[in-house]
Amino acid sequence: QLQLQESGPGQVKPSETLSLTCTVSGASISTGPYRWGWIRQPPGKGLEWIAAIYYTGDTAYNPSLKSRVTISADMSRNQFSLKLTSLTAADTAVYYCARLHRHGSAWYTVDPWGQGTLVTVSS
Amino acid sequence: DIVMTQSPDSLAVSLGERATFNCKSSQSILSSSNNENYLAWYQQKPGQPPKLLIYRASTRESGVPDRFSGSGSGTDFTLTISSLQAEDVAVYYCQQYYLIPVTFGPGTKVDIK
Repeated sequence: QLQLQESGPGQVKPSETLSLTCTVSGASISTGPYRWGWIRQPPGKGLEWIAAIYYTGDTAYNPSLKSRVTISADMSRNQFSLKLTSLTAADTAVYYCARLHRHGSAWYTVDPWGQGTLVTVSS
Repeated sequence: DIVMTQSPDSLAVSLGERATFNCKSSQSILSSSNNENYLAWYQQKPGQPPKLLIYRASTRESGVPDRFSGSGSGTDFTLTISSLQAEDVAVYYCQQYYLIPVTFGPGTKVDIK
């Protein structure tokens, strides 16, 4: 059974960089056809897609965050990671890692999701 | 970006009754090449991550009860729960995957009356 588990700091200071890792079990991220990605949800608010990566190295980013985000993968560890720079309080959210299913020429549905990790940006 | 809106913000329905809520996209998400609507619905129960229920506007994900049904085309979509069960209390989000960035609606919260 596919499982995804996020790990990283629960609190980060403003202007610093957030680093999160997703460990995948039950499937390999080094083969297709699925992508792997990150979505976030500020407390009490809606969902925002952040980034996606394919085993070929292809990446896709939300333009609203692209200048601050890097997604990468470590195939040997079956993990993928997110870096988000120049943090502000607006980046406080639950960060989910997930498997993404690309539908032909369209883009991604998301399933399953990890349990999520709350990241608070505060001094 | 395609903006997704949902209505109502919340609704309360009696057990066994029908629950219907809506999703609207700021532009059509119907593909002219294959006549598919790139619209998905998710269910998020309290303290849990979202779960994919429906994609292509009306195709249920494997294992999703058939009391959940999706309909609509173009810019206007509906999710219907034909007979509300206690375990259906959740926030329901729609999502377009027609264009990058994929975007989600703000959600509709469903409670028991």
